[in-house]
Amino acid sequence: GQNIDQPTEMTATEGAIVQINCTYQTSGFNGLFWYQQHAGEAPTFLSYNVLDGLEEKGRFSSFLSRSKGYSYLLLKELQMKDSASYLCAGMDSNYQLIWGAGTKLIIKP
Amino acid sequence: DAGITQSPRHKVTETGTPVTLRCHQTENHRYMYWYRQDPGHGLRLIHYSYGVKDTDKGEVSDGYSVSRSKTEDFLLTLESATSSQTSVYFCAISEVAGLGTDTQYFGPGTRLTVL
Repeated sequence: GQNIDQPTEMTATEGAIVQINCTYQTSGFNGLFWYQQHAGEAPTFLSYNVLDGLEEKGRFSSFLSRSKGYSYLLLKELQMKDSASYLCAGMDSNYQLIWGAGTKLIIKP
Repeated sequence: DAGITQSPRHKVTETGTPVTLRCHQTENHRYMYWYRQDPGHGLRLIHYSYGVKDTDKGEVSDGYSVSRSKTEDFLLTLESATSSQTSVYFCAISEVAGLGTDTQYFGPGTRLTVL
């Protein structure tokens, strides 16, 4: 079956670094997406990885290891506005997205 | 931001009534999707469309139907609403599917409550 696993909730301190992990099992693989979703709002695209390695975009980076079925999202210099849910999604062989339930990130001052 | 609107944004209805949700895009994207989002679950695909009059079922299509008569509009109908269909419904669009690099952009969502 297809499955995406990520922690339900994480807490971090303003100014710190946090890593949100995601493991995936999909039928075929066409990439791994990360989205951010603030409470009551729509998901917004953060990053896409299809090759192994690290992709950096400002304070946010995303890593992929295809052999391990593993990805992480790294957030640096945390700000209060980063309090949100972070959704991991794998794209399967039919180019459909399989979504994790999301990780709620709580930032404390 | 991608030009995607959903209507209504909030709706309360009674069990057994039909409900239609509308998604409208101004991006001329080929692919459109309907998802539902429930606590403890990831986004789940209901139906999607790959062109005018071309639609297919997703993971949780039972009790839902869709129509796409114009590129810009994708309608989701709950034929006879049940309490289990209480959820937040998101529409998404993408320009091209199948290349592995496409990104889905989401509308603001519709919060539906079935009493």
